[in-house]
Amino acid sequence: EAQVTQNPRYLITVTGKKLTVTCSQNMNHEYMSWYRQDPGLGLRQIYYSMNVEVTDKGDVPEGYKVSRKEKRNFPLILESPSPNQTSLYFCASSSPGNNQPQHFGDGTRLSIL
Amino acid sequence: AQSVTQLDSQVPVFEEAPVELRCNYSSSVSVYLFWYVQYPNQGLQLLLKYLSGSTLVKGINGFEAEFNKSQTSFHLRKPSVHISDTAEYFCAVSGNAGNNRKLIWGLGTSLAVNP
Repeated sequence: EAQVTQNPRYLITVTGKKLTVTCSQNMNHEYMSWYRQDPGLGLRQIYYSMNVEVTDKGDVPEGYKVSRKEKRNFPLILESPSPNQTSLYFCASSSPGNNQPQHFGDGTRLSIL
Repeated sequence: AQSVTQLDSQVPVFEEAPVELRCNYSSSVSVYLFWYVQYPNQGLQLLLKYLSGSTLVKGINGFEAEFNKSQTSFHLRKPSVHISDTAEYFCAVSGNAGNNRKLIWGLGTSLAVNP
């Protein structure tokens, strides 16, 4: 089954404790992206990747890192999480071309205390 | 710059009634348009998309949308809704920012179907 898998689905942690949210897709997609979803603000892009070893900032990259060492994986790293990073996070992937829909994971709900 | 406006943040409706969720966009170039649905505790799922051709697009679960270039709108409709259609609905425009395939999102419309 074609899917985007995120882990963990839920995480409560404390300020400053490094964490990684993993994202894996099995559709051989070149493009991958991370979004955060907040009430009243909709979805905002954090980082994206056009292919292996090619990543770039989205609209709200501060406080986040990503890597793309393999085509299928695109982890999101919070080196020193802060409470303002409490949010619902989505990973997405797609084939090349602006007319291709993006496929989303089920989301990761992070709470930073 | 491109932008998307979903005109209603919440739409309550009774079961079996018709519904329209409104979406307007702004763009100086040709666009691709999408509607996504988000059920509780799930990710976003593609409902339908407009790429080119016929302005009436049919999607999954009985939804359809009409692209109106002159009014820059892409409203989503369903003639008869079910309780299971209760969800958050997002309109999106395919971005045109270089190589980034970023989607420009509306803020969402919460559809509540009541018995």
